[in-house]
Amino acid sequence: DQQVKQNSPSLSVQEGRISILNCDYTNSMFDYFLWYKKYPAEGPTFLISISSIKDKNEDGRFTVFLNKSAKHLSLHIVPSQPGDSAVYFCAASGRTSYDKVIFGPGTSLSVIP
Amino acid sequence: GAVVSQHPSRVICKSGTSVKIECRSLDFQATTMFWYRQFPKQSLMLMATSNEGSKATYEQGVEKDKFLINHASLTLSTLTVTSAHPEDSSFYICSARVRSNEKLFFGSGTQLSVL
Repeated sequence: DQQVKQNSPSLSVQEGRISILNCDYTNSMFDYFLWYKKYPAEGPTFLISISSIKDKNEDGRFTVFLNKSAKHLSLHIVPSQPGDSAVYFCAASGRTSYDKVIFGPGTSLSVIP
Repeated sequence: GAVVSQHPSRVICKSGTSVKIECRSLDFQATTMFWYRQFPKQSLMLMATSNEGSKATYEQGVEKDKFLINHASLTLSTLTVTSAHPEDSSFYICSARVRSNEKLFFGSGTQLSVL
């Protein structure tokens, strides 16, 4: 049973346009959400996070939106650049035992020059 | 940002041998470290959570006698794959954090290939 879902396995976006990556979760105990970027054969790199007390967090070209009632979050990248091409993982943690971090299946983003 | 060092980056071993992977937090003390594995084109699957000085907590389906985890200090955790078999071939990644509900810092991963 997937607790963190990313229903789009892949996404293609033109350079300069907005990339929107979506994530849904099922566990209402999650209260901290993170986005990671990953290249093949490398460890994930942290991008941005959001606490459940907020509905938006922005860092440069990256903005994360959280809709708690819908158990949905999204990552917006504006403007998209070819170097953004990677797999993006949504992750969640919360006040469960050991506060483990659960990852979604990932979305492969391709930014076309 | 904080640095997590993971070694080795790649290891090839014969079936039946044991392999040890090290994970070190270089500039912070990690109260909790996590071990993940990733199969090609799949997500990061949490294997176990380790807290310094206590036994690791394994996820359902992960054999604790096969994947030995030691978290002897606040800066070092090790994963030993015992009696490795070809089906253990995978990409193993460690991560660390200082406190709960803070971001994880990841190592660069270890590609294990068992012949």
